[in-house]
Amino acid sequence: GENVGLHLPTLSVQEGDNSIINCAYSNSASDYFIWYKQESGKGPQFIIDIRSNMDKRQGQRVTVLLNKTVKHLSLQIAATQPGDSAVYFCAENSKDSSYKLIFGSGTRLLVRP
Amino acid sequence: NAGVTQTPKFQVLKTGQSMTLQCAQDMNHEYMSWYRQDPGMGLRLIHYSVGAGITDQGEVPNGYNVSRSTTEDFPLRLLSAAPSQTSVYFCASSYSGTVNTEAFFGQGTRLTVV
Repeated sequence: GENVGLHLPTLSVQEGDNSIINCAYSNSASDYFIWYKQESGKGPQFIIDIRSNMDKRQGQRVTVLLNKTVKHLSLQIAATQPGDSAVYFCAENSKDSSYKLIFGSGTRLLVRP
Repeated sequence: NAGVTQTPKFQVLKTGQSMTLQCAQDMNHEYMSWYRQDPGMGLRLIHYSVGAGITDQGEVPNGYNVSRSTTEDFPLRLLSAAPSQTSVYFCASSYSGTVNTEAFFGQGTRLTVV
């Protein structure tokens, strides 16, 4: 696959444990946030999104938390599985930025068997 | 329904050559965009389009041109390739450019400029 992921922060977790991936966003006017998962050799895949009028949203095995006060976003993955190994990106956009999706630098998640 | 399709998947260019990266979507999405992804970095926005006939610059537009003559297609042109343009390129589309919605990505084009 590509050399995407070199020099990225890495989170290593034991299979079955919960994972928490953090992201600090830059624009206080951002009102929509997305978490993407990128596996080697593939494009980013949508995981979950959250709007700024919420502070928590749950999906299947995933939860996103939004703290607008400190401009922080987190992705929690319950019972992490080997298939969760990937690079995870947060992205933000806002009406002020013409809805351009701006990505963070990513975190690599490694799941130990 | 193929989603977002990018061609080619791999390309090697010599410095100074030109080429067009193709992107097509079959979801009738208004919003399309091009990103580049370099090692250790997130995706950076090159150009985007909120609808046919409308394009605008992103974070890193220099060296690239785009056009949007149809809703489905959004090609990215490199006029004179440089080694600094070696990267993985992703095309994405979203339902609308005026409300917040998720973006769907293609599989990427890996470009090497020698």
